Amino acid sequence: TQLLEQSPQFLSIQEGENLTVYCNSSSVFSSLQWYRQEPGEGPVLLVTVVTGGEVKKLKRLTFQFGDARKDSSLHITAAQPGDTGLYLCAGNTGNQFYFGTGTSLTVIP
Amino acid sequence: KAGVTQTPRYLIKTRGQQVTLSCSPISGHRSVSWYQQTPGQGLQFLFEYFSETQRNKGNFPGRFSGRQFSNSRSEMNVSTLELGDSALYLCASSSLQSPGLVSFNEQFFGPGTRLTVL
Repeated sequence: TQLLEQSPQFLSIQEGENLTVYCNSSSVFSSLQWYRQEPGEGPVLLVTVVTGGEVKKLKRLTFQFGDARKDSSLHITAAQPGDTGLYLCAGNTGNQFYFGTGTSLTVIP
Repeated sequence: KAGVTQTPRYLIKTRGQQVTLSCSPISGHRSVSWYQQTPGQGLQFLFEYFSETQRNKGNFPGRFSGRQFSNSRSEMNVSTLELGDSALYLCASSSLQSPGLVSFNEQFFGPGTRLTVL
């Protein structure tokens, strides 16, 4: 079984702070996706990273794929209450997807 | 393009009943996957269909089944419902992306069906 471990599992921070979420595995993935999910809704795709060492920026969010394509990180700068949600990473090999354990982020105004 | 749609959004059933959930993928997507999400277990993979064939299956009992139609729409069925089947059931469709030399699959989720078993 290919497992993706996310850390931290829970994170509660003040508005304006920075944070990093980690997604680690011992397996190599052809691509990795990050999703954000709000309660009662489906996960929304934020980004897909494909190349080892790749860095993608989406406004205040920065995503990095590890050089060996086994791990990834999500960094949020100056967090806002609208960033609150469950962040999920998913590794893709072939036609299969393996989801991380999730990081629940709460940004306090 | 319209996104992934799921119906119904909410369902309340009692133990022993059966339920059928429906999913319409993004137009052109031929792969449909189903997941169960609960607070304690996170996102658990149920099965994946591609061109009307089950291609991958997770570790769930035979009470959970699915099918895919020729238009790629998919249904999942849960028979003899148990209290522990209460969950958010998510459908996701995916397609192969080939922006350059590298090809990869990208998955998009529907809003989910919230099933409550009483």
